Amino acid sequence: GDSVTQMEGPVTLSEEAFLTINCTYTATGYPSLFWYVQYPGEGLQLLLKATKADDKGSNKGFEATYRKETTSFHLEKGSVQVSDSAVYFCALSQGAQKLVFGQGTRLTINP
Amino acid sequence: DVKVTQSSRYLVKRTGEKVFLECVQDMDHENMFWYRQDPGLGLRLIYFSYDVKMKEKGDIPEGYSVSREKKERFSLILESASTNQTSMYLCASSSHGWGTGSRATQYFGPGTRLTVL
Repeated sequence: GDSVTQMEGPVTLSEEAFLTINCTYTATGYPSLFWYVQYPGEGLQLLLKATKADDKGSNKGFEATYRKETTSFHLEKGSVQVSDSAVYFCALSQGAQKLVFGQGTRLTINP
Repeated sequence: DVKVTQSSRYLVKRTGEKVFLECVQDMDHENMFWYRQDPGLGLRLIYFSYDVKMKEKGDIPEGYSVSREKKERFSLILESASTNQTSMYLCASSSHGWGTGSRATQYFGPGTRLTVL
């Protein structure tokens, strides 16, 4: 079945560092890809998405490009802030509106 | 803004009790979902519903049932709670969004942290 694999956390960075969180997927067909973020004590919020190959999703300084050839959707941000500390989930969907999630990556940004 | 609310943020129950978790959305979404979130496992789908009175099993339905009598409300039921059901439970909703560009954006509630003693 479909699956999503994220880089293991936790990830700890200093403020203004460059961030990459790796995400690869296994799926038949052509899924849509998502990054969700969960801030402490809250539910998940959609951060960005891409619905076809070579699409780039972006939001709040975060970016991810749908790479069909490498089945990847890595999350990047050029300069992280303390307020970016959260758990990040990569996910895919195809057909039936169901989402398949990765295991999540906890990110901590130190001032 | 889409709002998904869950009846409790924290809940403590005893083994064997019947537990109801309620979820309400205010955006007239057709689809509703229940997940559980456990460290290192991400989110796993328990049940989902495409319409009133319709339900389908997700990946881990054992020990759970659901009810959707009204479009805006989706309830998760633990018939006889067990300690291995201690978890964070998240509800989500989405529109059908049949166009490719609007597929499957799900909106989540704040979660219910359930502890079964």
